[in-house]
Amino acid sequence: SAVISQKPSRDICQRGTSLTIQCQVDSQVTMMFWYRQQPGQSLTLIATANQGSEATYESGFVIDKFPISRPNLTFSTLTVSNMSPEDSSIYLCSVSTTTVGTQYFGPGTRLLVL
Amino acid sequence: TQLLEQSPQFLSIQEGENLTVYCNSSSVFSSLQWYRQEPGEGPVLLVTVVTGGEVKKLKRLTFQFGDARKDSSLHITAAQPGDTGLYLCAGGVYFGTGTSLTVIP
Repeated sequence: SAVISQKPSRDICQRGTSLTIQCQVDSQVTMMFWYRQQPGQSLTLIATANQGSEATYESGFVIDKFPISRPNLTFSTLTVSNMSPEDSSIYLCSVSTTTVGTQYFGPGTRLLVL
Repeated sequence: TQLLEQSPQFLSIQEGENLTVYCNSSSVFSSLQWYRQEPGEGPVLLVTVVTGGEVKKLKRLTFQFGDARKDSSLHITAAQPGDTGLYLCAGGVYFGTGTSLTVIP
């Protein structure tokens, strides 16, 4: 298993500003992912954070809006840029172990954009 | 993206009742995962099923993977208020549409 922490846990931001969310894992992992979730709804994959190379983004998500860093095997950041109220959501970081498909999630960052 | 449809979307039952949640897709998966998420927390893995036809039990929860590896089900026996939460199936990094379960004491 893996223990994952995220900062901040929640934030209220003004439109047009940017927020960087941090994800820290207690062990080295190969795969890290960033998701978005509306309360009570399912998770949508934003991107796979690759260590040492550019993140791989899912359809509908672009690097200019959601830049991701992965400087090492235990840490990643997701920035939500030029925010609008539509970006209000829960952002979750997850990691994958060697077990097929298994993911461990952070507690999430609750973002409200006014 | 591989689409995973869950049914029902919402379920509200009395304590002690049984229930089944379904996860269906037109795609074949090498494995499927089931997660439970409580408010304010990230999803927590319940089980991974790998083999077609596989049945796994976790106390009062029974998970089944379809023979063709396109679908799965979660059956809860004698539901308790502590079972309340959002249940999500996943095929790797792609998640199902979710089932919100409320168990009323």
